[in-house]
Amino acid sequence: NAGVTQTPKFQVLKTGQSMTLQCAQDMNHNSMYWYRQDPGMGLRLIYYSASEGTTDKGEVPNGYNVSRLNKREFSLRLESAAPSQTSVYFCASRPTGNQPQHFGDGTRLSIL
Amino acid sequence: EDKVVQSPLSLVVHEGDTVTLNCSYEVTNFRSLLWYKQEKKAPTFLFMLTSSGIEKKSGRLSSILDKKELFSILNITATQTGDSAIYLCAVLFSNSGYALNFGKGTSLLVTP
Repeated sequence: NAGVTQTPKFQVLKTGQSMTLQCAQDMNHNSMYWYRQDPGMGLRLIYYSASEGTTDKGEVPNGYNVSRLNKREFSLRLESAAPSQTSVYFCASRPTGNQPQHFGDGTRLSIL
Repeated sequence: EDKVVQSPLSLVVHEGDTVTLNCSYEVTNFRSLLWYKQEKKAPTFLFMLTSSGIEKKSGRLSSILDKKELFSILNITATQTGDSAIYLCAVLFSNSGYALNFGKGTSLLVTP
């Protein structure tokens, strides 16, 4: 009964390094999302995938890329990490229709 | 610009008190308003409100939506220390693949 699984849970990078955050869901949900959460800012949408094979930008996409590898997996890539990308990253998934999103436990990313 | 505003941003109460958390929104293509509770990790779903005036209840928590005045409240009665968390309000809108537009959250601390 895993739900939404994110790896890794913690990561420290140096400026300029690249990194891929992994997300997998086992609920057969069509839609998947990546958010970032910064102190005092709430959660902000980075990218989303409404269905397998499609991806679209959210509110704060700059510096990120995504891949919807299959229905289960949605990865987020930082090509050249910057200190401004220090944040907690949450992946979420949602079934079809007017339904709530289910969140993973997050990845805490620090960029020095 | 779509926005979701929560108040207060932080709150300290004593065990047994009743608290009311507020959420107002200005969002086009509104579908539903959701409340989440966030402790250390993933936001966990509390309520989804789609229709005005219908109270949702779960134990000591309840919530209601006013679509005319564009706000929702979350009530917690007889608070316990385990209620200490960040409470997130989010609006589901039909743009951006049914992504969530979050408020900044209300940080609630319940003291013994």
